[in-house]
Order: sequence, then C-alpha cells, then structure tokens
Amino acid sequence: EIVLTQSPGILSLSPGERATLSCRSSQSITSSRLAWYRHKPGQAPRIFLYDASKRATGVPDRFSGSGSGTDFTLTISRLEPEDFAVYFCHQYGSSPYTFGQGTKLEIK
Amino acid sequence: QVQLQESGPGLVKSSETLSLTCTVSGGSMSGFYWSWVRQPPGKGLEWIAYIYYDGTTSYNPSLKSRVTISVDTSRNQFSLKLTSVTDADTAVYYCTRGGWSYDYWGQGTLVTVSS
Repeated sequence: EIVLTQSPGILSLSPGERATLSCRSSQSITSSRLAWYRHKPGQAPRIFLYDASKRATGVPDRFSGSGSGTDFTLTISRLEPEDFAVYFCHQYGSSPYTFGQGTKLEIK
Repeated sequence: QVQLQESGPGLVKSSETLSLTCTVSGGSMSGFYWSWVRQPPGKGLEWIAYIYYDGTTSYNPSLKSRVTISVDTSRNQFSLKLTSVTDADTAVYYCTRGGWSYDYWGQGTLVTVSS
C-alpha cells in the first residue's frame, strides 16, 4: 500500500501570500494519478486538482499542481480568505487508493 | 448540480452490520463509478470500495472480507454494508462520485460503533 506523507502539518500564512503544500509518496505513483482536495469543516470535500496538475472544473488558476514519481506539490499563488482549510492529497494509481493526512492552511 | 446524501443509523452495536445508503440527485448514475470513503476520528481518509453503475465492484483488500457495495440505478442509490463492526469502524462515512478521483462528495455521516 502506498503511504502519502503531507507536509507541513500546519501552514500559517496571510491572505495574499503564496502557499506551497507537499505530498510525498512511499512509492512512485503510476501516471501521476494524484489529486488534491480542500475540506472545510461541515462541508463536503471538494476536488481541486487531478492527475497531479489538472485543475478541476471551476478552480481558479491561482491553484497549480506539479510533480511526478514520489514528490508532488500544490501551490496557491495568492491566498484568498476562502482558501484557508485542510488540503489532502490522494493517489489513485495503485489499489488500494490512499490519502495523505492533510495540511491545515490557517490564517496567520 | 449533482448532490450526494448519505443516510443510515448513526449508532451501530459492536459485531453487528453497518448499513448506509447514498442517494444521488441532480444527475444520472449511468456511466459513472461510485465510491465509499471513511475517516475515523483524528485519522486520515480510507478508501472502502467502488462500484460502476453496471454493478462492477472493487474493494479495499483490508476490508474486502466484510464489505459489500451495491447499486440501484432505478432509485438513484448505492449502498454499503460492513459486517462484524468494531470500534475501529467508527468514522465519518462519505459517498462520492468517481472510482479513482472524486468530483462530488456527500457531506458525510458519522457512524459510531458502541460496545
């Protein structure tokens, strides 16, 4: 089973700043089949990126994803107030599909 | 807009069977995969199983012996059954659209296993 490790666990930034979230895999992820989701308390999770770098419908272009193999990054170029939440990565290249523990992006 | 809503008992006794249903509205189930994912308190998410609208299934090997996923497209629902539950099965259970990445999620429902 592939283990995904996200860092940092908590990221404290201010609106307007740039956020860089990391997701590292214990094994190479087939075809970069990695997604990023945002989860706010009391809400359903929302997909932001899939296949490592493809933005889901309606996701603004200040969100970008990169990486391949075992190292992946989600970058938010200029933080907006609605961006502060938990982000988790998810690999679907190898069964069983697994998730990272999440990075909490909080307002500094 | 596609919406998913989980339903089922919030409390299940240890050793019994957990049963949840996901009702899909705002779209057809045809042509899509549907999945269950759960998150125990304080832990990460865990993929449980997926089902294609035609009934084709795939299960997480760690749960396969206890899980059954089924679909009823006529009612726009799919379901999860988990047998012989223990405290470790206490979690928020989410239903999602997709077999690999998930573009729609339910709000989640907390199921607590009581001993």
